[in-house]
Amino acid sequence: AQTVTQSQPEMSVQEAETVTLSCTYDTSENNYYLFWYKQPPSRQMILVIRQEAYKQQNATENRFSVNFQKAAKSFSLKISDSQLGDTAMYFCAFTLNYGGSQGNLIFGKGTKLSVKP
Amino acid sequence: KAGVTQTPRYLIKTRGQQVTLSCSPISGHRSVSWYQQTPGQGLQFLFEYFSETQRNKGNFPGRFSGRQFSNSRSEMNVSTLELGDSALYLCASSLSWGSTEAFFGQGTRLTVV
Repeated sequence: AQTVTQSQPEMSVQEAETVTLSCTYDTSENNYYLFWYKQPPSRQMILVIRQEAYKQQNATENRFSVNFQKAAKSFSLKISDSQLGDTAMYFCAFTLNYGGSQGNLIFGKGTKLSVKP
Repeated sequence: KAGVTQTPRYLIKTRGQQVTLSCSPISGHRSVSWYQQTPGQGLQFLFEYFSETQRNKGNFPGRFSGRQFSNSRSEMNVSTLELGDSALYLCASSLSWGSTEAFFGQGTRLTVV
């Protein structure tokens, strides 16, 4: 069975600084996707960034980037130039790529990030 | 274009009752997934529908069921409600079977008393 672990229940960062959220996962499969989702107080889950396991290059979306270490099964999220609007719960998620369905998203427990002015 | 719409946003039910939650996916999206979010268990996958057929199912009792209509709208039903069913129920829509990007609605907050 696949599992996703986020070891930091809560983190805080000063506005404009950089913060890294950790995520590890466990799978015996080789073909999968990893995601970071953001859930602000509005409760709506928003996709932040996606990484395909067969791509060695780390994904980047503006101020968000990942450090994907496939051998170590590690997938951390770096947020640069943190903004107040980044305050939210962040979830790391995993899905196998068999037939490509994203139906079986497996989520970590989440990290509550607070950006302080 | 409009996002994923879940109705109702909030619901209070009594133990033993049943409840139906609705999800309208983004226009043109044909795959709908449901998740339960609780403080204790986190986010757990319930089921996924595509073309009116259930494609995947999570590890939930048979009291949890769902369906998808020809217009891709989906409903989930929980019968014989228990206190532990209190949760945020999230719906996500994807363009098609095999899409790797899911768009979530704001959820339905169900409270069982």
